[in-house]
Parts: sequence; structure tokens; C-alpha cells
Amino acid sequence: EAGVAQSPRYKIIEKRQSVAFWCNPISGHATLYWYQQILGQGPKLLIQFQNNGVVDDSQLPKDRFSAERLKGVDSTLKIQPAKLEDSAVYLCASSAYRSPSSYEQYFGPGTRLTVT
Amino acid sequence: KQEVTQIPAALSVPEGENLVLNCSFTDSAIYNLQWFRQDPGKGLTSLLLIQSSQREQTSGRLNASLDKSSGRSTLYIAASQPGDSATYLCAVAGNTGKLIFGQGTTLQVKP
Repeated sequence: EAGVAQSPRYKIIEKRQSVAFWCNPISGHATLYWYQQILGQGPKLLIQFQNNGVVDDSQLPKDRFSAERLKGVDSTLKIQPAKLEDSAVYLCASSAYRSPSSYEQYFGPGTRLTVT
Repeated sequence: KQEVTQIPAALSVPEGENLVLNCSFTDSAIYNLQWFRQDPGKGLTSLLLIQSSQREQTSGRLNASLDKSSGRSTLYIAASQPGDSATYLCAVAGNTGKLIFGQGTTLQVKP
């Protein structure tokens, strides 16, 4: 089966510009996650969707970040305006809901964002 | 607040050695623990998932153990190879599936 797809793979923008990332999860996976991974750190959850509803966005900087998942499939993550500290890899993951104890998340290749 | 710590941060070993990576977490109320591998510039590959009711999981040369009561997990790699060189991440899941990650252990296996 096809894995999690993300685009673009790389993006360089200047601070105060806007950027959008796209994610297509594994077919049939109801849960979709966006993580931010700053160099040298582990990934940190930004937002979690169950179908097209938000389960957790407690660590999403809502003044500049937004995300949507239309029709419960693809998702986009947007940053507007970008700051230097947003330079990171943005990872999308998906999982098939069975039960909390058996969640296994599958990750896409990530989008590396550099803000100059 | 759940915190995950991985020790050591970096490890360099000669090929063929058996090695252990350590992961500790502060809140034992987890639903599962996952070990991931990350190659430079790449996404994460799931290696092993241990459900909260399990004590260990094995896949090939990898064996992961879980001790919920003490808040610890170990990843054992047998007969290490240069191809095992990567960053290994430990993550714990709560009841929504949200993963809390450690900072990772960067492993280098020298030929």
C-alpha cells in the first residue's frame, strides 16, 4: 500500500512570508497528525485530526499556524507569517483507529522548511 | 506532564557489538510505546510497538522491553551493522494516540 505522501519536500522562504504544506495519508486512515521537528530534537505534535475534526491542537501556535482536513482525507498546514524559529521539518503521520493501545503511526518523508 | 528522556544522546560502536539504548518516561499511564528509526533527511520508520499490557517485542535483531511501573524501556540491537547507523527515537502514546518523543540517540556503527 502507498505510504503517507507530503509535498513539497523542501521550502525556503523569507521571514514574514507565508507557506503551506500538503499531506495525503494512507488510504482508510482516520487519524492524521502534524508534527514539528526542530534540528536535534524529537518531533512535537502540532495538531491531530480524527476524520475532519480536531482532537488536539494545544501546541499549535494559532496566531500564525492553521491546519485543515477537508473531507477527512488530505490535510494542509499553513504558516502565516513565518518566523525564523519556524525553521524545522514538518512531519505528517496517519494511523488507523482501532484502540488507543494499538495505535501505530506511519510517517511521511517530511517537509524541510528554512526561514531566512 | 509527560516527559521522555533518552540516554545516551550519541553512541559510537564497532561493528558486531550488541548495544542497548535507553528510554525513560515520567508518567506511567501510557497506552503504548514505540521505537522509531530516522535516517538523515528522512521521515520516521516504526521499528517496534509495545502495547501497555506487553513486556517486550522482537523483530529480527531488535528487541524492545517495557517496564511501565518504573517508566523505562530499552531497545536492544544485536550484532550491530554499519547499516544500523541512524537516530533512534522513543515515543509514548496517551489515550488519544498522541506521541510524546524523546530527543533521540544517534548511533554510529563503525566498520
